[in-house]
Amino acid sequence: GAVVSQHPSRVICKSGTSVKIECRSLDFQATTMFWYRQFPKQSLMLMATSNEGSKATYEQGVEKDKFLINHASLTLSTLTVTSAHPEDSSFYICSARGALAGETQYFGPGTRLLVL
Amino acid sequence: KNEVEQSPQNLTAQEGEFITINCSYSVGISALHWLQQHPGGGIVSLFMLSSGKKKHGRLIATINIQEKHSSLHITASHPRDSAVYICAVSQGAQKLVFGQGTRLTINP
Repeated sequence: GAVVSQHPSRVICKSGTSVKIECRSLDFQATTMFWYRQFPKQSLMLMATSNEGSKATYEQGVEKDKFLINHASLTLSTLTVTSAHPEDSSFYICSARGALAGETQYFGPGTRLLVL
Repeated sequence: KNEVEQSPQNLTAQEGEFITINCSYSVGISALHWLQQHPGGGIVSLFMLSSGKKKHGRLIATINIQEKHSSLHITASHPRDSAVYICAVSQGAQKLVFGQGTRLTINP
């Protein structure tokens, strides 16, 4: 199946700093990428949907100025957590869907963020 | 009530047992997805189905559109099948709506 990578896999940062997470589709063109957050023992929560070349669509309750999403190419989307705080500590997962993939979403391995 | 409900929430079984995880949904869908999340967090898409039944190795997924119900079966379960299994539904090219997951533990 198609491969989606995320970088970094884990990050620890100080409160107030910004963290950038990359999501790449390695062997297909991802016209749509999704960013999820998952707290321990909870299900995935969709944060935003991004289509290549256009602004991301954020879910209700997700601050777009805090979670900056850029989907500048068909293989790369980035999520930047700005001025991170301990409550932003979570597991962030991206998924990608290509124009030819139908509704199949391919998930990245996730990024574990710990804000001290 | 959640739009996607899974049962059971937790399931522990012995190696070799036949496993069934259920998923019911209350909205119109275009496809239903079964996902597997291992303890490290990575998610693998197991099945996407809109009707009937699909089989991959020891895994079988069925869906009944009229009853809005799907089941995931694992035959000859093995400790490496231990994971969280997530049911999700999609409506066209829209976002996925997730169930709360079923935590499966297979003991040797």
